[in-house]
Amino acid sequence: DQQVKQNSPSLSVQEGRISILNCDYTNSMFDYFLWYKKYPAEGPTFLISISSIKDKNEDGRFTVFLNKSAKHLSLHIVPSQPGDSAVYFCAATGGTSYGKLTFGQGTILTVHP
Amino acid sequence: GAVVSQHPSRVICKSGTSVKIECRSLDFQATTMFWYRQFPKQSLMLMATSNEGSKATYEQGVEKDKFLINHASLTLSTLTVTSAHPEDSSFYICSASDFGQGTEAFFGQGTRLTVV
Repeated sequence: DQQVKQNSPSLSVQEGRISILNCDYTNSMFDYFLWYKKYPAEGPTFLISISSIKDKNEDGRFTVFLNKSAKHLSLHIVPSQPGDSAVYFCAATGGTSYGKLTFGQGTILTVHP
Repeated sequence: GAVVSQHPSRVICKSGTSVKIECRSLDFQATTMFWYRQFPKQSLMLMATSNEGSKATYEQGVEKDKFLINHASLTLSTLTVTSAHPEDSSFYICSASDFGQGTEAFFGQGTRLTVV
């Protein structure tokens, strides 16, 4: 049972344009969502998070949007840079088990110069 | 952000031997740490929750006798892969949360285990 889904395995974007990565979840107990960036053979690096009490959180070039009714969140990267090329994972947690994350399958982002 | 250090980053071992992976929180105390496994081109799958001073909680399908977890102090958790087989070859990652700074989990660098 995949509780967190990233339906796009890959995304290719031109440098300077917007990258939009999507994530859907099914567990209504999830109330905190995170995005991680990961390079091969390395651990994930935290990017940005959002609590279910908000619908938007912005940090520099990264903005996460949360639509609770649709159980959907998205990560916007503007402007995209070649150094953003990596695998992006969305993750969710809820209840009292903060830190115990359920991950999506990941989306490979490639930003072309 | 908080720092979690994982060691070793790479290890190759022979079938039948055991391998220990260490996970340390360097600048905060972690009563709970988590161990994940990532198969090639797949998501990170939670293996177990490591609780300081008590037994680990394993996810369904994870063999607790094969993957021994010890959380002896507030800054160190270890994962020991016992009697390793080639199918145990994978990328193992630990994480810890510093609840004082928020709820995001910080990850170690990961360990690439190859069993030959």
